[in-house]
Amino acid sequence: NAGVTQTPKFRVLKTGQSMTLLCAQDMNHEYMYWYRQDPGMGLRLIHYSVGEGTTAKGEVPDGYNVSRLKKQNFLLGLESAAPSQTSVYFCASSFDYGYTFGSGTRLTVV
Amino acid sequence: AQKITQTQPGMFVQEKEAVTLDCTYDTSDPSYGLFWYKQPSSGEMIFLIYQGSYDQQNATEGRYSLNFQKARKSANLVISASQLGDSAMYFCAMRGGGGSQGNLIFGKGTKLSVKP
Repeated sequence: NAGVTQTPKFRVLKTGQSMTLLCAQDMNHEYMYWYRQDPGMGLRLIHYSVGEGTTAKGEVPDGYNVSRLKKQNFLLGLESAAPSQTSVYFCASSFDYGYTFGSGTRLTVV
Repeated sequence: AQKITQTQPGMFVQEKEAVTLDCTYDTSDPSYGLFWYKQPSSGEMIFLIYQGSYDQQNATEGRYSLNFQKARKSANLVISASQLGDSAMYFCAMRGGGGSQGNLIFGKGTKLSVKP
């Protein structure tokens, strides 16, 4: 019963480096989301996807790109990491009103 | 624009007592859903309870109940008989209808501490 799996769980990047966070779900959900969580800010939507091959911007998309080449995977990319992108990143998928979250990726940019 | 407001950054409650966590929302959509999530110190997001805007009765799930007052646009979470394991961050969230495409909008959270 994997649900939503995020890889990696922790990462430290230097300013200017790039990386990709992987989100995989095995529930055949159409909708997938990437959120970031900062202290005192709750979760804020970065990008989302309503199906394979589609992506859209959320509330805080700047500095991130996403791709959904396969229905089960939703990738979040940072092309040139900045210290302001230090955060905990959550992926989620949904069907109707059922949402499943991954366990999060803690990213530190130094 | 849709918005969730949680006005209590932190709260304390004595073990075995009940506690209410406040949540107000703003939306112009007639169809929406309201959620509460728990985030313990381990970090995972745990779904607690859901209330649909057309539901006639307040949602309940075990020790959790949602006090839904549509006219006041409030969706307070009530935890009965608090336990030490209830100490965590609690987030209220809303899913709008129409063109929201299922996105959840979160409040800033309330940190609940249960005292023995």
